[in-house]
Formats: sequence, structure tokens, C-alpha cells
Amino acid sequence: DTAVSQTPKYLVTQMGNDKSIKCEQNLGHDTMYWYKQDSKKFLKIMFSYNNKELIINETVPNRFSPKSPDKAHLNLHINSLELGDSAVYFCASSLPKGNSPLHFGNGTRLTVT
Amino acid sequence: GENVEQHPSTLSVQEGDSAVIKCTYSDSASNYFPWYKQELGKGPQLIIDIRSNVGEKKDQRIAVTLNKTAKHFSLHITETQPEDSAVYFCAAKDNNNDMRFGAGTRLTVKP
Repeated sequence: DTAVSQTPKYLVTQMGNDKSIKCEQNLGHDTMYWYKQDSKKFLKIMFSYNNKELIINETVPNRFSPKSPDKAHLNLHINSLELGDSAVYFCASSLPKGNSPLHFGNGTRLTVT
Repeated sequence: GENVEQHPSTLSVQEGDSAVIKCTYSDSASNYFPWYKQELGKGPQLIIDIRSNVGEKKDQRIAVTLNKTAKHFSLHITETQPEDSAVYFCAAKDNNNDMRFGAGTRLTVKP
């Protein structure tokens, strides 16, 4: 009965590699997000998708690209990984209206060596 | 865009005492203010929220207050227990669905 699930939970890879993180939600939400949490626990929004349209794109490098095959999925692709990309990445979803909470997955800890 | 500030960054209390975490926001258009609890190895989980037409909301040991004029809101946890130990985040969301988080407060409840 997992609401927002993301895989893998841990990802260890070398600099320069390309990797993907998958996210799926079964809540019927229209909007999905990717957040990055750094070592100091700060949560920073990276992207959000509403009905397959990108509606927020914070100043993240274009090595990061979200892909949404349908409204239940929002995958994150990262090209040419760098050491500074090491962090925990959280997927989340919500209803589109303003007073709706975000539901988070349990995160993917990415370590770039 | 919205800017949310949260204090304190760390908070240590004795079991049974109360804990208070405070946040301020910058965008007067923000109208939804959730609080999240994040335990080790897990994603943030919603614990309580408040909307801009309400000044206070309570759910058992947890309460949230909102002062729209001053643009600040607070989380109050009474009768704290060791299992309340976690990182707590405040957030503010406007009508554009743009949610911004505070920097987090690491709460430690000592038994």
C-alpha cells in the first residue's frame, strides 16, 4: 500500500556515469516533484510536473532531466555525475490545488565517488 | 519567490517538557502551512497543517499557530516523548503550488 515509492534506495556510482532514479505514486495525484536534500538536511525543490508539463524548474544543471511517462511516474535522469551530486533525492506528489500537502517517498541516497 | 526561515536549528528537551519551533515566511500570498517530521532513513511525513483562514489547530499533543499579519507560524509539541526525536520542517505553499521548506530543526527528547 506504498503511496510514493522510489528506487533504488541506495545508489553508489563513479563520477562521469549516467544514472536514473525511478518514482511512482498510487495516490492519483496530478503533480509530482523531485527534491534534493543535502548533508545539512536542507530540502531544495528541483522540479515539479503537472499533467506532464514542467511547471517549476529551479536552477539545477541541465545534466538533470525529469521524465514523466504518465502522471503516476516521474523519473530523474542524471548525466555525467559529479561529486557534488551526492545527496538524498526525494520524490513527492500532491493534488494540484494550493492547500494540498506533499507526500514523500523514502528517498534515494546517491553517492558519487 | 517564497523564503521560509526556521528556528532553532537544534532543540534538546527533557521528556515530558514542551518543544516550540518557529518559522517565518516572506510571501503574503502563501496560504498553506504544513509541518513535516523526518525520521532517520525516511522521507518527511506530514504531521499537521494549517490554512490561512485559521489561527490555531490542535491534534492531540501537537498544535500549530499562525499569525498572518506577522507572517509567522509555530509548532508546539507538549508532553514530549523520546519517539518525538526527529528533524522537523515547516513549509509554506502558495496558490501556484510552490512549496518552500525551512532549514529544519533537529529535536532531541532526552529520556
